[in-house]
Amino acid sequence: DAGITQSPRHKVTETGTPVTLRCHQTENHRYMYWYRQDPGHGLRLIHYSYGVKDTDKGEVSDGYSVSRSKTEDFLLTLESATSSQTSVYFCAISPGQGSEKLFFGSGTQLSVL
Amino acid sequence: SQKIEQNSEALNIQEGKTATLTCNYTNYSPAYLQWYRQDPGRGPVFLLLIRENEKEKRKERLKVTFDTTLKQSLFHITASQPADSATYLCALANTGNQFYFGTGTSLTVIP
Repeated sequence: DAGITQSPRHKVTETGTPVTLRCHQTENHRYMYWYRQDPGHGLRLIHYSYGVKDTDKGEVSDGYSVSRSKTEDFLLTLESATSSQTSVYFCAISPGQGSEKLFFGSGTQLSVL
Repeated sequence: SQKIEQNSEALNIQEGKTATLTCNYTNYSPAYLQWYRQDPGRGPVFLLLIRENEKEKRKERLKVTFDTTLKQSLFHITASQPADSATYLCALANTGNQFYFGTGTSLTVIP
């Protein structure tokens, strides 16, 4: 999957607990993204990053925060998980200007009970 | 906000026929449009990109059209095969490298 590793692959947690998902890339791509995928909604952009320490909100950012301290790592944090955040989370990367393809990781299945 | 709609959630066709998938959008002026394939349990995989100033793009058995007046893209798979069965997603993007996806169309090619 284009040098993208998401961890963990599966996680079950309880409402109110903090959760951090990790995306690691070995492609040295500038852009990194977090999406969630739910039935009937498709892929929705949560947050994205256009460089180290440069991040911005997507269309469904409430309840989520991100950090990018190194080019290769993009972390997604649910400060206090809720059942509505049960979803499949995908990380994606893109080289940026001049190459507009997105390359996706294998996803993280998160269940909040 | 932008809205991206893809035709019927599921599409079944006979092997050898041409599958045509539709992507309509509103409240958006994309710089380009992309199509991805997604298999169960996997992340989407890029297939084709078409820019706002292009009418048609082809790659092997795949063809994409883009009508910015109708705000519509059509994705065709000719001589379809059972291995083409998957969910197909369209995505719109602006020059700011933000990508927005439709809900997808599940295609089943029946032998």
